[in-house]
Amino acid sequence: AQSVTQPDIHITVSEGASLELRCNYSYGATPYLFWYVQSPGQGLQLLLKYFSGDTLVQGIKGFEAEFKRSQSSFNLRKPSVHWSDAAEYFCAVGAGGATNKLIFGTGTLLAVQP
Amino acid sequence: GAVVSQHPSWVICKSGTSVKIECRSLDFQATTMFWYRQFPKQSLMLMATSNEGSKATYEQGVEKDKFLINHASLTLSTLTVTSAHPEDSSFYICSARKRDRETGELFFGEGSRLTVL
Repeated sequence: AQSVTQPDIHITVSEGASLELRCNYSYGATPYLFWYVQSPGQGLQLLLKYFSGDTLVQGIKGFEAEFKRSQSSFNLRKPSVHWSDAAEYFCAVGAGGATNKLIFGTGTLLAVQP
Repeated sequence: GAVVSQHPSWVICKSGTSVKIECRSLDFQATTMFWYRQFPKQSLMLMATSNEGSKATYEQGVEKDKFLINHASLTLSTLTVTSAHPEDSSFYICSARKRDRETGELFFGEGSRLTVL
C-alpha cells in the first residue's frame, strides 16, 4: 500500500537560513510525487511535482526537491527561507492512472524566526 | 490558470441539519473531483472520488449515506453532510483533475470549514 512519511512535525528556521523538509514514501512502482503548501485556513497550493525524468525538480517560490529512488525520498529544499514561507507543507504520493488518488503525509509545520 | 473554488468557505449549523458544500472548477473541465477531510493539525484524508455522471467511490470507513456526493457537471461537484453532528466539524477540501492534463496533477479548492453546534 502507498504511504508517505514526514518525520518532522514541526521545524523552526531563521529567516535567510536554508531549509530541508524530509519526505519518504512507500510505493511499488515509480511514484508521482508532490509537495503542497497550506497557509492557515487555506487550501493547498502545489509547489512542485515529479513524474519522471530529471530527479531534481524546480518549483515555485524558489523551492526544489530531489527524487532519490534508492532512499525512497523526495525531500524539499530552499536555500534561503523568507518569513512568508511559514506554513504547513505536505508531501504526497499519487498512483496516477484513472483514480489519481493522492496519499498525503502528516505534514510539517514550518515556523520562521526573524 | 487552474482555479478551483469552494463555497461556502465556512459554515456553522445546528446539529441534525444538512449542509451542502460546492466545489467548482472555474476555468477548466474536471472529469474527476476528490473530497478530502482535514482535522485540526492533521493531514488530509481522502473521503471519496467523484466522477462526472456516475456514482462517487467512497473510501473505506466513509459513510456514503452521510456524505452525499453529486458530480452533475464537468465543473461542479457537491458534498452534502446529512444530519450533521459535532463530530462532523472539520475542514473539507476538494480537488479536481483537469480533463486534458497529465495524470496525477490535482488542483485544490480553498477549503470549507464546517462547525456543527
